[in-house]
Amino acid sequence: GAVVSQHPSRVICKSGTSVKIECRSLDFQATTMFWYRQFPKKSLMLMATSNEGSKATYEQGVEKDKFLINHASLTLSTLTVTSAHPEDSSFYICSASGLAHEQYFGPGTRLTVT
Amino acid sequence: KNEVEQSPQNLTAQEGEFITINCSYSVGISALHWLQQHPGGGIVSLFMLSSGKKKHGRLIATINIQEKHSSLHITASHPRDSAVYICAVNSGGSNYKLTFGKGTLLTVNP
Repeated sequence: GAVVSQHPSRVICKSGTSVKIECRSLDFQATTMFWYRQFPKKSLMLMATSNEGSKATYEQGVEKDKFLINHASLTLSTLTVTSAHPEDSSFYICSASGLAHEQYFGPGTRLTVT
Repeated sequence: KNEVEQSPQNLTAQEGEFITINCSYSVGISALHWLQQHPGGGIVSLFMLSSGKKKHGRLIATINIQEKHSSLHITASHPRDSAVYICAVNSGGSNYKLTFGKGTLLTVNP
């Protein structure tokens, strides 16, 4: 299947700083990218859906000013956690979808805010 | 009631056993995904199917659209198959969001 990468795989940051996570589709053009958050032993929670070149659509309860999503190209989407707090510590996963509406998942980024 | 129900929630097997994980859903779908997640790890897409059956190595996925049911089978299970297996459905719509089951934790003992 197609390959989706995420960078970084792990990040530790201090409270109040911002962290950017990149999601790249390496061998196909991703018209849509999804950002998920996963709490320990829980299923994935969709945070937002982004289509290339347009504003992201956020799920209810997700603060768009705190979780900034940019999908500037067909191969790259970024999630920036602004003014991070310890409660933002989580596993963040992206997935990318092409014209056939398949979804390929990235390996995830573990964020720890101290 | 969740739109996507998986069973069992937990499954322990001995190496070499044939494994079946079930997924039932209550909405119309355009596709169903089977995903695998190892502890502390990322998610791997195993299958996407909208009808019939797919096979990849020791893994087989089937779907019955009329009965709104899918199964994931693992033949000759191995300890490295130990993971959480997640069923997710794509109900179409303009953005093709996935609805996830709660996952099945599979442990294969040597």
